[in-house]
Amino acid sequence: DSGVTQTPKHLITATGQRVTLRCSPRSGDLSVYWYQQSLDQGLQFLIHYYNGEERAKGNILERFSAQQFPDLHSELNLSSLELGDSALYFCASSPRTGANTEAFFGQGTRLTVV
Amino acid sequence: GQQVMQIPQYQHVQEGEDFTTYCNSSTTLSNIQWYKQRPGGHPVFLIQLVKSGEVKKQKRLTFQFGEAKKNSSLHITATQTTDVGTYFCAGRTAGNKLTFGGGTRVLVKP
Repeated sequence: DSGVTQTPKHLITATGQRVTLRCSPRSGDLSVYWYQQSLDQGLQFLIHYYNGEERAKGNILERFSAQQFPDLHSELNLSSLELGDSALYFCASSPRTGANTEAFFGQGTRLTVV
Repeated sequence: GQQVMQIPQYQHVQEGEDFTTYCNSSTTLSNIQWYKQRPGGHPVFLIQLVKSGEVKKQKRLTFQFGEAKKNSSLHITATQTTDVGTYFCAGRTAGNKLTFGGGTRVLVKP
């Protein structure tokens, strides 16, 4: 158990809908990263938050947004969903934003858009 | 933008044999990390390399960071069925963005 909690574990929704994925980082971790993993693909970096502030943005679609709250949990909002958004979404946390920190991954949320 | 490439994408290995997977970055890295994702699981941190030319070993796994800090390799000796999974390298740049490679999916033939 990495200590990172993601909910829900599975989500099935229709095209055009909006969903929110939630991530609770490890206790004390200030950094939260979001990644998208499509079937048999690598991990695509979406966004990084540190202590409530956005620090880096990857290939995140405009239909997607995220935020990190004062209690450090984070939410990834996906709207106007398309079939191609079906993927495994991982959240990872690390203690700080320095260079030499490993990332601890949650179990992921499997999103299926039908 | 920064790109991290891994080869091969798939590695079929006979149990007991050795293999190497390679990771190449388009930019110089602050450090490189390796993760393993078992089928149906989540990525789990294996190791981090920071210094140019650094070599680290974990039992049958040997990790190397290139002199120019733009490439890395993972060598596994005497492959076992427990080595099955996808191995990702992840490069961190000065901007602190952790970019993952596409992964090498390892399948072991008993």
